[in-house]
Amino acid sequence: AQTVTQSQPEMSVQEAETVTLSCTYDTSESNYYLFWYKQPPSRQMILVIRQEAYKQQNATENRFSVNFQKAAKSFSLKISDSQLGDTAMYFCAFMKVLAGANNLFFGTGTRLTVIP
Amino acid sequence: GAVVSQHPSWVICKSGTSVKIECRSLDFQATTMFWYRQFPKQSLMLMATSNEGSKATYEQGVEKDKFLINHASLTLSTLTVTSAHPEDSSFYICSATGTALTVTYEQYFGPGTRLTVT
Repeated sequence: AQTVTQSQPEMSVQEAETVTLSCTYDTSESNYYLFWYKQPPSRQMILVIRQEAYKQQNATENRFSVNFQKAAKSFSLKISDSQLGDTAMYFCAFMKVLAGANNLFFGTGTRLTVIP
Repeated sequence: GAVVSQHPSWVICKSGTSVKIECRSLDFQATTMFWYRQFPKQSLMLMATSNEGSKATYEQGVEKDKFLINHASLTLSTLTVTSAHPEDSSFYICSATGTALTVTYEQYFGPGTRLTVT
């Protein structure tokens, strides 16, 4: 079974600063995808960034980047130049690569607050 | 592109009644839809996966007879909570994916439905 662990229930960061959210996972699979989702107060799930496990290069999307350490099964999210709109719950998620559509396994989430 | 809607956004029903939640893919064909449940300040818990035209696959511990899922077309899936009780009060979220999408494995989420059973 896959497990996703987010060890930081809550974090805060000053506006314009950088913050890193941690995520570790456990799997016996060799091919999989990892995601970070953002859930703002509206509760709409928004994809922040994705990483294919076969890619060694860390994914980057504007101010968001990941540090993917496959051997350590670690997948942290770095948010640079934090903005007030980044305040949200952040969920790390894992998906096996299988034929057809596949389930997402979510971590317990980290509540991030950006302080003005 | 890849927009998913849910209706209603919130619903209040009396204990013992049934309520139906709709999930629609607006601009793509959703070959697979997922239903999640989220309790306050908790993560998303997968309830079931449904493929168009076939029976849903329920996760362990989810009552099939209580949470009826129908995926009758490539753009619509419904979740019916039958004989609802206060403990069914929760936030229900659907997601969808389709083979014609640019990123075929990516799930696109609806905005969720808040169910309150009184």
